[in-house]
Amino acid sequence: DQQVKQNSPSLSVQEGRISILNCDYTNSMFDYFLWYKKYPAEGPTFLISISSIKDKNEDGRFTVFLNKSAKHLSLHIVPSQPGDSAVYFCAASKKTGANNLFFGTGTRLTVIP
Amino acid sequence: DTGVSQNPRHKITKRGQNVTFRCDPISEHNRLYWYRQTLGQGPEFLTYFQNEAQLEKSRLLSDRFSAERPKGSFSTLEIQRTEQGDSAMYLCASSRSGGGDEQYFGPGTRLTVT
Repeated sequence: DQQVKQNSPSLSVQEGRISILNCDYTNSMFDYFLWYKKYPAEGPTFLISISSIKDKNEDGRFTVFLNKSAKHLSLHIVPSQPGDSAVYFCAASKKTGANNLFFGTGTRLTVIP
Repeated sequence: DTGVSQNPRHKITKRGQNVTFRCDPISEHNRLYWYRQTLGQGPEFLTYFQNEAQLEKSRLLSDRFSAERPKGSFSTLEIQRTEQGDSAMYLCASSRSGGGDEQYFGPGTRLTVT
């Protein structure tokens, strides 16, 4: 069963505008959430994370929002740049035990110049 | 700065052959993970090591799969008697310790079983 879901397989945004990528999870034991970016023929690159004790974390152009009651998180990229075009994966883990990551299926972001 | 490295990057093998992949994690990282990614899916957890101890294995890791991390540094993943369903990208990741530490991924080894 897919415990982390990204329901939008693709998203296109104009350069300079905001990109919003969404992610939902089902397991209430998850308490750490991450976003990774992936280019073709490369491994996922860590982008930003958030602990369940927070509802927002910001790093430059990237902000992650967490709504625990809705089991929903989102990644905002503003302003979007052509170099942001990639597949974005949402991931979640539990802070105890293996801490292995549960990934969504990814959203392909295309930023149009 | 040396990130996580994996070798080989690509492997084509015939069904029934054995293959072995290697992962060199970031040097100060204690934890090492193996994941598998198939087309259209996100990476799926296979197993992880804390130093040299293999502490957890996913049900995805059948008896034909074995992983080692003999000295707590590099790791190998061996698949015996490969099947076409084993074709995937095999990703290695490392992290300093456990909860709250992000995992850093290598470029992956793409396995094609013909």
